[in-house]
Amino acid sequence: SQKIEQNSEALNIQEGKTATLTCNYTNYSPAYLQWYRQDPGRGPVFLLLIRENEKEKRKERLKVTFDTTLKQSLFHITASQPADSATYLCALDDNYGQNFVFGPGTRLSVLP
Amino acid sequence: EAQVTQNPRYLITVTGKKLTVTCSQNMNHEYMSWYRQDPGLGLRQIYYSMNVEVTDKGDVPEGYKVSRKEKRNFPLILESPSPNQTSLYFCASSLSSQGAGGYTFGSGTRLTVV
Repeated sequence: SQKIEQNSEALNIQEGKTATLTCNYTNYSPAYLQWYRQDPGRGPVFLLLIRENEKEKRKERLKVTFDTTLKQSLFHITASQPADSATYLCALDDNYGQNFVFGPGTRLSVLP
Repeated sequence: EAQVTQNPRYLITVTGKKLTVTCSQNMNHEYMSWYRQDPGLGLRQIYYSMNVEVTDKGDVPEGYKVSRKEKRNFPLILESPSPNQTSLYFCASSLSSQGAGGYTFGSGTRLTVV
């Protein structure tokens, strides 16, 4: 069956460190993978998209990698800050870009 | 301002009383979708629409209806709500189904069915 897993339900790190979040998928062949940030009670906010032929994408302190052989994406936040505390969701396209499905999310807490 | 607007933000209703949650976007997006979010279950897709008059079921369509008569609106209809439909609902839109620019989400509708 198809499945999207994110490494852990919650992750705590110290301010200034690099946070690394993992998204693994099974029985999908995505052409695109997205990452979102969600604050409690609010809608997800789009952060980055990476295509299957791109190994890495960067935006300010964010970096995303996409390994279609391992069926995995890594999401890095460098020099993390308490304001980065939120739930981060990965999403990948199902059925040749027709639609996106979301992983369960990882709740990141950056401790001062 | 480019946005997805959902109404109402909060709704408490009784079992069996038909209700509609509205969703409107002002970005001329082709693609729109409805999700429900429950603790421990993440975002689950209810229905999506790739364009006017084109709708498809997501993972959890039972008990819901949608329509897409015009590009900007995508209402979610609960014909006979039940307590298991108590949830936080989100509408989202995108320029295309491939989501190259990402999905824009509404602020959410918290529905309680008693």
